[in-house]
Amino acid sequence: NAGVTQTPKFQVLKTGQSMTLQCAQDMNHNSMYWYRQDPGMGLRLIYYSASEGTTDKGEVPNGYNVSRLNKREFSLRLESAAPSQTSVYFCASGRAATEAFFGQGTRLTVV
Amino acid sequence: GENVEQHPSTLSVQEGDSAVIKCTYSDSASNYFPWYKQELGKRPQLIIDIRSNVGEKKDQRIAVTLNKTAKHFSLHITETQPEDSAVYFCAAPYSSGSARQLTFGSGTQLTVLP
Repeated sequence: NAGVTQTPKFQVLKTGQSMTLQCAQDMNHNSMYWYRQDPGMGLRLIYYSASEGTTDKGEVPNGYNVSRLNKREFSLRLESAAPSQTSVYFCASGRAATEAFFGQGTRLTVV
Repeated sequence: GENVEQHPSTLSVQEGDSAVIKCTYSDSASNYFPWYKQELGKRPQLIIDIRSNVGEKKDQRIAVTLNKTAKHFSLHITETQPEDSAVYFCAAPYSSGSARQLTFGSGTQLTVLP
């Protein structure tokens, strides 16, 4: 079992560029999440999807969009990257409001 | 939304001593409380969790206690070892939008000194 797989692992963007972070899980979980992690800020929820076909905003959704493509895949899109979006992004999946299993993270730098 | 507060933000202990990290939460409907360990450059990984129908759970050198009346839960690590050095996060579920999801504390950097 691969668990939760994120791509890419590293990315450098120029301000204003767009990109999509991909996430896939093979644990048949209904819930999927995108978090960002900044030094001293812990893990902040960007968006989540409780089930296929539904998405909801988390604590810090501005500047991001998501797509729950199917039960396995949940993507995060930055339409116009800003330096404030420099962070480590984690995708996670789990059963509803219980344990979350994390991907290996994407380290994004916006210059 | 749910506010999970975690203390302390940093903690240094001597190898072999115990470490305690505490979290408080605000949503009285929360019923599941996990703890995650994140080593440098790695992903957070679940190390122990507790549900609201029990007051304590142990797994070898780690334990979690829950006080639902006071709305706080704690992670206890006994006989600490250098490999316990990491950032530890608590979490609790809360309702916002169409479903419940986990919100995390701000983390505790634990350093075990040899």
